[in-house]
Amino acid sequence: SQTIHQWPATLVQPVGSPLSLECTVEGTSNPNLYWYRQAAGRGLQLLFYSVGIGQISSEVPQNLSASRPQDRQFILSSKKLLLSDSGFYLCASITSGSSYEQYFGPGTRLTVT
Amino acid sequence: EDQVTQSPEALRLQEGESSSLNCSYTVSGLRGLFWYRQDPGKGPEFLFTLYSAGEEKEKERLKATLTKKESFLHITAPKPEDSATYLCAVQALSGGSNYKLTFGKGTLLTVNP
Repeated sequence: SQTIHQWPATLVQPVGSPLSLECTVEGTSNPNLYWYRQAAGRGLQLLFYSVGIGQISSEVPQNLSASRPQDRQFILSSKKLLLSDSGFYLCASITSGSSYEQYFGPGTRLTVT
Repeated sequence: EDQVTQSPEALRLQEGESSSLNCSYTVSGLRGLFWYRQDPGKGPEFLFTLYSAGEEKEKERLKATLTKKESFLHITAPKPEDSATYLCAVQALSGGSNYKLTFGKGTLLTVNP
């Protein structure tokens, strides 16, 4: 079974500072990877997904970006954080040929001050 | 556009008081409907996948059912440890190999002893 790691677990950053959140997956190969943001009262919002190394699809226009430098590594970045970027960021993984369910990491709580 | 609506937003039960959570959806061809449980400050935990109308799945005190327009999560004789937010999500056939999920906002279930 696959295990998803995310770090850091919590982060407090000032407005205008850069951001880098990392997600790594163990126990699978060539997974689809996803970044979600969960804000209070808004449910899970899909931000980016990747079906392979270097392949990134963006779902929501914003000041965030994503990269996939290795098969099981997914990074979420920003050059300048906004207050509205605060939230709970979740990474998820799915393995092709499975029964299509996504498995989630433990999340990163980001507070922009 | 795929849409998922969950009701009620919050549900408070006494221990042993059975009830149901609703998930209504519109999707252009359903590949699967997924139920997750999320505890505060943690990533969602996968519970069930349902693929076709009439299908049912059970796990301990939980039973999920599916029709062409909605899914129910039945909770029988709940215990305080069943308290969590329950999330419903749909995956469309039109998504191809991206396996994206569209989530509802969730139902916050509180079970009092």
